[in-house]
Amino acid sequence: GAVVSQHPSWVICKSGTSVKIECRSLDFQATTMFWYRQFPKQSLMLMATSNEGSKATYEQGVEKDKFLINHASLTLSTLTVTSAHPEDSSFYICSAYLGSGTEAFFGQGTRLTVV
Amino acid sequence: TQLLEQSPQFLSIQEGENLTVYCNSSSVFSSLQWYRQEPGEGPVLLVTVVTGGEVKKLKRLTFQFGDARKDSSLHITAAQPGDTGLYLCAGAGSRLTFGEGTQLTVNP
Repeated sequence: GAVVSQHPSWVICKSGTSVKIECRSLDFQATTMFWYRQFPKQSLMLMATSNEGSKATYEQGVEKDKFLINHASLTLSTLTVTSAHPEDSSFYICSAYLGSGTEAFFGQGTRLTVV
Repeated sequence: TQLLEQSPQFLSIQEGENLTVYCNSSSVFSSLQWYRQEPGEGPVLLVTVVTGGEVKKLKRLTFQFGDARKDSSLHITAAQPGDTGLYLCAGAGSRLTFGEGTQLTVNP
């Protein structure tokens, strides 16, 4: 099956710094990727839809200037958490989904801890 | 906004017991998917159900799609500790709409 690789798997950063998370589709081209945030033992909360070559679409309540998404190629989408604060600490997951009930492929997730 | 309600949200059972997880929506979905997620990893697809009334079996797991394609259930027979995880239903469209998840713990 298709593989989505997410890096890093975990990161600890100081408050006020920025962190970049990469999501790569390894054996297929993904024009659309989805970024989720997840709290312990809870479901996935969609943050934004990343579209190759165009601006990301953010869900209501998600600050686009804080969570910068870049989808510069068909195999790479990045999420940058800018000026991170402790409340941004969470598990972030990317996904490639081609729609129409096809299988969604998820990255391994990134555990972000802001201290 | 399409919403999926999943129940129960938490379930802790003993090895060997049976359980059922429910996923309900007021909206019709063209298909519905079930995922399982282990701590520190991304979700992995278990099954996709497409036809109303469809039943699919995956070893000890039985998935059913409601006749009206608004609800689904996951039944696990003789649960094992390895079944522990977060189970997510997702309605399929241009994007996936996830239920709240069911955290299952199977104790040895």
